[in-house]
Amino acid sequence: GQNIDQPTEMTATEGAIVQINCTYQTSGFNGLFWYQQHAGEAPTFLSYNVLDGLEEKGRFSSFLSRSKGYSYLLLKELQMKDSASYLCAVMDSNYQLIWGAGTKLIIKP
Amino acid sequence: DADVTQTPRNRITKTGKRIMLECSQTKGHDRMYWYRQDPGLGLRLIYYSFDVKDINKGEISDGYSVSRQAQAKFSLSLESAIPNQTALYFCATSDLGEVTGELFFGEGSRLTVL
Repeated sequence: GQNIDQPTEMTATEGAIVQINCTYQTSGFNGLFWYQQHAGEAPTFLSYNVLDGLEEKGRFSSFLSRSKGYSYLLLKELQMKDSASYLCAVMDSNYQLIWGAGTKLIIKP
Repeated sequence: DADVTQTPRNRITKTGKRIMLECSQTKGHDRMYWYRQDPGLGLRLIYYSFDVKDINKGEISDGYSVSRQAQAKFSLSLESAIPNQTALYFCATSDLGEVTGELFFGEGSRLTVL
């Protein structure tokens, strides 16, 4: 079967750095996505990786290793507004998105 | 105004009732999707449509039906609601021409079936 694994919850301190990991086992691979979802709101797109390596976008970076079935989202200079759930999703060989359950990130002052 | 609009935002209904959730979009995207989200689970695809004449079942289509009335409108129906259909429902769109396939979500419709 296909599955996406990510930690259920993480806690970090304002101003610090946090890394949210995602491992996947899917039928084929056509890209990995990270979305941010604030409580009670819609998910919003953060990043897309299809090749190995690091993609940097401001305070957020996303890394992919296809051979290891592994990605991480790195958040720097954490702000209180970064408190949210972070969803990892992989597009399989049929171009269907497989979603992880999400990682709830709690930021403490 | 939101680019992807869902109505109603909240609905409480009783077992056996028919419910329709509506989605409209102003993004001009061809592709539209209906997902449900449950605590502790990932988003699960119910139905999707790549154009007005195209309807496809997703991972969990049983108990649901959809209608693509126009490019901009995609409705989800529960013919006879049951309590385990209590969930947060999201409509989403994507652009055929966008290489990343980024999804744009509506604000969600919270459905409670008693």
